[in-house]
Amino acid sequence: GNSVTQMEGPVTLSEEAFLTINCTYTATGYPSLFWYVQYPGEGLQLLLKATKADDKGSNKGFEATYRKETTSFHLEKGSVQVSDSAVYFCALNIPGGSEKLVFGKGTKLTVNP
Amino acid sequence: GAVVSQHPSWVICKSGTSVKIECRSLDFQATTMFWYRQFPKQSLMLMATSNEGSKATYEQGVEKDKFLINHASLTLSTLTVTSAHPEDSSFYICSAGLAGGETQYFGPGTRLLVL
Repeated sequence: GNSVTQMEGPVTLSEEAFLTINCTYTATGYPSLFWYVQYPGEGLQLLLKATKADDKGSNKGFEATYRKETTSFHLEKGSVQVSDSAVYFCALNIPGGSEKLVFGKGTKLTVNP
Repeated sequence: GAVVSQHPSWVICKSGTSVKIECRSLDFQATTMFWYRQFPKQSLMLMATSNEGSKATYEQGVEKDKFLINHASLTLSTLTVTSAHPEDSSFYICSAGLAGGETQYFGPGTRLLVL
């Protein structure tokens, strides 16, 4: 089956620190991979995505590279800000399938000034 | 673009009553809408997938008579929690997708508290 495993939080960093949130997946077929962000009290927003191997998604200073050989899609940011405090979800879907997204459990990030 | 709204944003109701939550795609036509439930500090659990004009497809373990979904138009889907009980209290989130697209656009969520 399809599944997503991401590192459990919470993660607490100081401002300007380097961030990595690990995400690995198991999928039948060739999934598209996503990172969604959920700010406190809000719904999910798409942060970035990648649709094929070696693609790099990037947005707002965040990056993630689709690694087929390691079935991973780790999220990174070189210098986090207090405003990045949120819950981050890794997800996949199988193009041409039911369009259902399979989510990881989420990782809560807190950035302190 | 690709904005999805939900109404209400939060609701408190008495046990035994029914609650309707609306999900609208404001600036695009959504062929498919999804309903999720999110428990505190947990991931999103897909409840059902609905396509305009057809019956919703429910995930295993989700009671279709308890959670009624109607997708009457390409811009509106509703979730009705019938005879709500305290265990139905949760954060309900909808999302909408475009035909042939893989990206889902999420609503801001509806927090339901059943007393």
